[in-house]
Amino acid sequence: DGGITQSPKYLFRKEGQNVTLSCEQNLNHDAMYWYRQDPGQGLRLIYYSQIVNDFQKGDIAEGYSVSREKKESFPLTVTSAQKNPTAFYLCASSPTRRNVGEKLFFGSGTQLSVL
Amino acid sequence: QKEVEQNSGPLSVPEGAIASLNCTYSDRGSQSFFWYRQYSGKSPELIMFIYSNGDKEDGRFTAQLNKASQYVSLLIRDSQPSDSATYLCAASSGGSYIPTFGRGTSLIVHP
Repeated sequence: DGGITQSPKYLFRKEGQNVTLSCEQNLNHDAMYWYRQDPGQGLRLIYYSQIVNDFQKGDIAEGYSVSREKKESFPLTVTSAQKNPTAFYLCASSPTRRNVGEKLFFGSGTQLSVL
Repeated sequence: QKEVEQNSGPLSVPEGAIASLNCTYSDRGSQSFFWYRQYSGKSPELIMFIYSNGDKEDGRFTAQLNKASQYVSLLIRDSQPSDSATYLCAASSGGSYIPTFGRGTSLIVHP
C-alpha cells in the first residue's frame, strides 16, 4: 500500500540532545513537508522540500534541520537549540506543490516529549 | 502574515443535527480552501476542498465559500457521534500553494 511512514510513534529527548524523526513515502511525490502541532493549535510549517537536495524554511524553522537526499525520505532533526520541542510532529507530502487544490497526504505523526 | 482564523470551540451539537463550522482568512490572494478532520492523536484527513464561490456538497458535508467576505464554512448534516473530532480549515494561495492552517474547531456530537 502507498503511504507515508513516520517513526518512531513516540520519542523522548534529553536535555542538550539532538533527535531525528524519520519520514518515508512511497507515493512518488515530489513535495514533502514537516509540520508541528501543539495542543489546541493548528499546524505550523517547519520545513518543506519540492525536489531532492533542495528545501526551504517554513514559519518556525529555528532549532530544526532537514535533509532531502532521496525523493522518498525527508528526515527532521530537532536540535538542542530548540528549547521547547514537546509537540506532535507531522510529515506530509503532495504530488507537485504546483497545482491549485493539491491536497496533503499525512503520516501518522510522532509525539516528541522532553525528559 | 497569512492567517486563518477559527473558533476553537468546543462546538457541541446533538446527534442528527446540523453542525456549522466557520473559518475566515486574511490573504485575499487565497485560491484553494480545505477542510481536514483530525481525531485525537491522529493525523489530519482531507474531507472537503473548494475553490469556487458558492456551495460544494459531498454526502453529508457541504463546504461554502464567500471570497468577498473571506469566509469559508463547513456544514455537517445528520451529525453522528463519529463526527466528533477537530476540524482544521486551511487556505493556499497561487504564490506558494502551501496551505496555511487554522487552529481548528473541536466538534462534539452527543447522543
